[in-house]
Amino acid sequence: GENVEQHPSTLSVQEGDSAVIKCTYSDSASNYFPWYKQELGKRPQLIIDIRSNVGEKKDQRIAVTLNKTAKHFSLHITETQPEDSAVYFCAAPNTGGGNKLTFGTGTQLKVEL
Amino acid sequence: EAEVAQSPRYKITEKSQAVAFWCDPISGHATLYWYRQILGQGPELLVQFQDESVVDDSQLPKDRFSAERLKGVDSTLKIQPAELGDSAMYLCASSPGQFSYEQYFGPGTRLTVT
Repeated sequence: GENVEQHPSTLSVQEGDSAVIKCTYSDSASNYFPWYKQELGKRPQLIIDIRSNVGEKKDQRIAVTLNKTAKHFSLHITETQPEDSAVYFCAAPNTGGGNKLTFGTGTQLKVEL
Repeated sequence: EAEVAQSPRYKITEKSQAVAFWCDPISGHATLYWYRQILGQGPELLVQFQDESVVDDSQLPKDRFSAERLKGVDSTLKIQPAELGDSAMYLCASSPGQFSYEQYFGPGTRLTVT
């Protein structure tokens, strides 16, 4: 199966600064990489994803980059706002078969005023 | 916007009791997942359904956990008997089909076993 490592486990930034969260995966055949945001007490929400045929994808203040050679992908949040404070999870396909995902351990992002 | 529904949102039970969680996926989604999320960790897959069939239950503790999706729509996850170590968030997710990795989560059931 897939092994997904996520860093850092906690991240504190000042409002307006950028935040970067990184994940590595083990299976070079993986081809889909989503990021989920989970606010306290709420459901994980898919915020952006990238497929292996592109190197970068942007959606307003968030972007995801993929380095297939190094087998890592990153979430970038620019101009951070207090409402960005949440736990962020990366995931990669579980190559054991079926459309399953293996999730990272999460990054607690805190945006300070 | 359609969402995955789960109930109850919170459940407190004593160890050795039985508990059941319910999930209603987004209409038309053929794939349904049950995850367990321990505080501070990512979701871990317990069981995956494709329509009414179990695709993967390799991580489901079958001596005490069971899951069903009889008509291929909503699903129930049961624990009997509950143990202290079962305290966690139980999340349900659904996906459009067997070739889609996009998963949409429900709000979860927070289980506390005392």
